[in-house]
Amino acid sequence: DQQVKQNSPSLSVQEGRISILNCDYTNSMFDYFLWYKKYPAEGPTFLISISSIKDKNEDGRFTVFLNKSAKHLSLHIVPSQPGDSAVYFCAASEVGSARQLTFGSGTQLTVLP
Amino acid sequence: DAGVIQSPRHEVTEMGQEVTLRCKPISGHNSLFWYRQTMMRGLELLIYFNNNVPIDDSGMPEDRFSAKMPNASFSTLKIQPSEPRDSAVYFCASRSTSGTGELFFGEGSRLTVL
Repeated sequence: DQQVKQNSPSLSVQEGRISILNCDYTNSMFDYFLWYKKYPAEGPTFLISISSIKDKNEDGRFTVFLNKSAKHLSLHIVPSQPGDSAVYFCAASEVGSARQLTFGSGTQLTVLP
Repeated sequence: DAGVIQSPRHEVTEMGQEVTLRCKPISGHNSLFWYRQTMMRGLELLIYFNNNVPIDDSGMPEDRFSAKMPNASFSTLKIQPSEPRDSAVYFCASRSTSGTGELFFGEGSRLTVL
């Protein structure tokens, strides 16, 4: 059973608009969440993270929101740019598991010019 | 600084052949992870090492898969014998255990088993 789920395999957004990528998790012991971005033929690269003691973390055009009661997090990109087109992976970890990351299946974001 | 280095980048082999994928982690990182990416399952953790010691190999799909880390700067993932369903991109990642969880990934090894 997948503990981290990204239910939307793909998302298309117009350049300049907001992109919202969603992620749900089932393990209540997760306390640290990360987003990774992956371009074709490259490895995933870290984008932004959030600790469970926060409900929002912002870094430039990227903001991650965490709703612990709903076990849901989202990544907002605003404004979206064509260079943001990539696969976005949500990941989570828990204390005591050596911080191994559990990844979602990814969402392909396409930003249309 | 050099990132995580994986080789080969691409491997095409025939069913039944042995495949060895290689990884050099970032210097100073003492945790190393092997992941497999497929369309159906996304990124799956196969095995990870702390200080060269395998900690959790529950993600290794079958006995055909094995991984070693003989020293802090080198790890291998071996598949013997390989099967078409093993076709995927295999990623190696490393991090410092003092970190909060961010992993640094290599560029991956794309394996095609015919």
